Amino acid sequence: EVQLVQSGAEVKKPGESLKISCKGSGYSFTIYWIGWVRQMPGKGLEWMGIIYPTDSKTKYSPSFQGQVSISADKSISTAYLHWSSLKASDTAIYYCVRGDGDGYLAYWGQGTLVTVSS
Amino acid sequence: SYELTQPPSVSVSLGQMARITCSGEALPKKYAYWYQQKSGQVPVMVIYKDIKRPSGIPERFSASSSGTKVTLTISGVQAEDEADYYCVSADSSGSYPVVFGGGTKLTVL
Repeated sequence: EVQLVQSGAEVKKPGESLKISCKGSGYSFTIYWIGWVRQMPGKGLEWMGIIYPTDSKTKYSPSFQGQVSISADKSISTAYLHWSSLKASDTAIYYCVRGDGDGYLAYWGQGTLVTVSS
Repeated sequence: SYELTQPPSVSVSLGQMARITCSGEALPKKYAYWYQQKSGQVPVMVIYKDIKRPSGIPERFSASSSGTKVTLTISGVQAEDEADYYCVSADSSGSYPVVFGGGTKLTVL
């Protein structure tokens, strides 16, 4: 069974750093790209970027380029989303997704709630 | 950047047909996907590759494609279909492998 299991909810202060994770299982992790999707409270889904675990190449949405970084460790089938300095506006649910092709978000993680508040 | 356009809301009476549209210039070249997100839940794919229905999705969900527009149709809408629906595709240049429409709130009256 394919699963994407994300790390737990986080409460952080503005300016702090954070890395959340997404562990894939039940399939060969390097075959499919992993993407990250943001959902701010009461808002729609936004694509942030993707990573190809086989070579760690990344593509970012222009809205998120320079704001976050995406990485992966294929040896442990895990992808990461990292902030160096959080802002209150980063408060959202973040989903990781397995991409089986352009737009084809075949599997979703359970989501990680990130709350940034002073 | 590339955009997919959906109506913000659609209302339909119980048992009637709902149609949700999505427009984008690259849709003739790129597959469209539809995701349903119920309140507080993880999105679920209800249509893939323009018109295909994943296993486990009720037959009342269908889709069509015509030029730069794709349409999700829910026949005989049930109360449990009330949700947000997102159209997803990609741009034709390869720069943006994932583009979300703004989402459509389906209200069942």
